[in-house]
Amino acid sequence: DGGITQSPKYLFRKEGQNVTLSCEQNLNHDAMYWYRQDPGQGLRLIYYSQIVNDFQKGDIAEGYSVSREKKESFPLTVTSAQKNPTAFYLCASSIGSYRQRDNQPQHFGDGTRLSIL
Amino acid sequence: GESVGLHLPTLSVQEGDNSIINCAYSNSASDYFIWYKQESGKGPQFIIDIRSNMDKRQGQRVTVLLNKTVKHLSLQIAATQPGDSAVYFCAEINSGGSYIPTFGRGTSLIVHP
Repeated sequence: DGGITQSPKYLFRKEGQNVTLSCEQNLNHDAMYWYRQDPGQGLRLIYYSQIVNDFQKGDIAEGYSVSREKKESFPLTVTSAQKNPTAFYLCASSIGSYRQRDNQPQHFGDGTRLSIL
Repeated sequence: GESVGLHLPTLSVQEGDNSIINCAYSNSASDYFIWYKQESGKGPQFIIDIRSNMDKRQGQRVTVLLNKTVKHLSLQIAATQPGDSAVYFCAEINSGGSYIPTFGRGTSLIVHP
C-alpha cells in the first residue's frame, strides 16, 4: 500500500541534543512538508520541499533543519536551538504544485510525538 | 487573527444525529478546499474536497457546502456514529499561488452512543 511513514512514533530529547525525525513516502509525490501541531492549534508549516535538492522555510523554521536528497525522504532535524520542541510533528506529501493537472490534497503520516526529558 | 487556546471548539451530538461543522476561511483567492479528520494520536485523513466552481459536493455520508460570498465552508455528516468522533479541520488553497494550504484550528466532534 502506498503511504507516508513517520518514525519513530515517540521521541525524547535531552537538553542540547539534536534529534532527527524520519519521513518516507512511496506515493511518487514531488512535494513534501513538515508541520508542527500544538494542542488546540492548527497545523503550522516548518519547512517544505517541492522538488529534490530544494526546500523552503515555512512560518516557524527557526530551530529546525531539513534535507531532501531523495524524492522519497524528507527528514527533519530538531536542533538544540529550538527551545520549545515538545509537540506533535506531522509530515505530508502531495503531487506538487508545479505539475498540478488537477487539485489534489496532501496526504499525512501518523506523526511523531517529541518530548523533552 | 484567531485567538490561540488549548481548547478546540467542541460539537457534541447523539449517535444517529446529523452533524454540521463550520469553517471560515480567510483568503478570497483560495479556490480549493479540503476537509480532514484527525483521530487522537494519528495523522489527518482526507475526507472530502471541493473546488471553488462548485457550491456543494457529496460523498459517503458527508456533504461539503461552500459559500464564497461569506467565505464559509461546512461539513455535514449524516447519521453520525461513535467512530466519527475526532477533530475535523478545513484547509484552503490558492492553486494559483504556492499551493501551500492554510489550515483551520479544528473542531472536536464528540458522538455519544
